[in-house]
Amino acid sequence: DSGVTQTPKHLITATGQRVTLRCSPRSGDLSVYWYQQSLDQGLQFLIQYYNGEERAKGNILERFSAQQFPDLHSELNLSSLELGDSALYFCASSETQGHGANVLTFGAGSRLTVL
Amino acid sequence: GENVEQHPSTLSVQEGDSAVIKCTYSDSASNYFPWYKQELGKGPQLIIDIRSNVGEKKDQRIAVTLNKTAKHFSLHITETQPEDSAVYFCAARARAGNKLTFGGGTRVLVKP
Repeated sequence: DSGVTQTPKHLITATGQRVTLRCSPRSGDLSVYWYQQSLDQGLQFLIQYYNGEERAKGNILERFSAQQFPDLHSELNLSSLELGDSALYFCASSETQGHGANVLTFGAGSRLTVL
Repeated sequence: GENVEQHPSTLSVQEGDSAVIKCTYSDSASNYFPWYKQELGKGPQLIIDIRSNVGEKKDQRIAVTLNKTAKHFSLHITETQPEDSAVYFCAARARAGNKLTFGGGTRVLVKP
């Protein structure tokens, strides 16, 4: 157990629908990162939050949004879902957002299937 | 932005042999290079990392080397065991930010 908790583990939904993925970071970690992993693909960075504020943005679609709450948990909202959004979505957390070596700890992921 | 390329995409080795995975990065400002192992059904797990002020780092059967001039780094696994079978990802982080850019992954299969 990495200490990063993601729910749900699996989610099956239909095109056009909206889903919310939830992440609780490791205790003491202030930064949360979201990554997307499609079939046989690498990890694509979506977005990072630090202590409630957006810090960095990657290849995140406009249909997707995220936020980090005062208790530091984060939610990734995916709307108007398309077949191509089917993927594993990983959350990772780290202690700081500083310039030093900052270890990312990943959760087990949420597998989204869009039918 | 940073671009990380990883080779090979698949690697099959006999148990006991060595495995080498190579990555190149594009941003000369990158200063932190972790390697992650992802087992089936699990999230990536950090196995070793190296900073730009170090050329080599070793942890038991795993070693990582970094060539800043050529902008490439490698993972070496010696005396491979079946439990080393997994997907391995290299990553790089630029000095100016906190985002990790990952390579495409290498699926390693260790045959008994």
